[in-house]
Amino acid sequence: DIQMTQSPSTLSASVGDRVTIACRASQNVNKWLAWYQQKPGKAPKFLIYQTSSLESGVPSRFSGSGSGTDFTLTISSLQPDDFATYYCQQYNHYPWTFGQGTKVEVK
Amino acid sequence: QVQLVQSGAEVKKPGASVKVSCRVSGYTFTTWDIKWVRQVTGQEPEWVGWMDLKTGDTGFAQKFRGRVTLTRNTSISTAYMELNSLRSEDTAVYYCARGCSGATCYPGYWGQGTLVTVSS
Repeated sequence: DIQMTQSPSTLSASVGDRVTIACRASQNVNKWLAWYQQKPGKAPKFLIYQTSSLESGVPSRFSGSGSGTDFTLTISSLQPDDFATYYCQQYNHYPWTFGQGTKVEVK
Repeated sequence: QVQLVQSGAEVKKPGASVKVSCRVSGYTFTTWDIKWVRQVTGQEPEWVGWMDLKTGDTGFAQKFRGRVTLTRNTSISTAYMELNSLRSEDTAVYYCARGCSGATCYPGYWGQGTLVTVSS
């Protein structure tokens, strides 16, 4: 199985900060990388697919980049609604696998 | 619009079985496969398996093989996941998600989740 490793595990930030979350795959997943946001008690919310394509309705402050094994999710200016846990997921190989999550908390 | 609606929460005893349903709407049922994912509280989501709703082909994560059965009823656009021999570690929220249509994969539509609690 492909291992997905996110860093950091926890990130303390303030409203207005630029936030970057890294995701590394143990094997090449090409461009087939998605990002989700999850809040307690809720299903994961789909943010980005194919590394950098923004899902409809997702604010443009979210962006994704990378290729192969190294990927990044960036929030250009953190908003109060963005405090949550973020997961990357590869969907190039079965089984689809997720990173362990990055919790973005209030500094 | 695309919707995946799952059955309600379940409480089961160790050793029992649970069957979760996932009713889809907003697209032709058999054109996209269904993935099943579970999430234990405080952990990342974990792949369970998938089903090609046209052919009935299935695939499973190694740890679930032999314990999970995936089925579907095309007449009511509903997919099912049955997990047997439940143990406390199976307590989790189970999700269905629309997956791939041919070579196109778009994991953007998920059900609302079904909490399965295993407790004696």
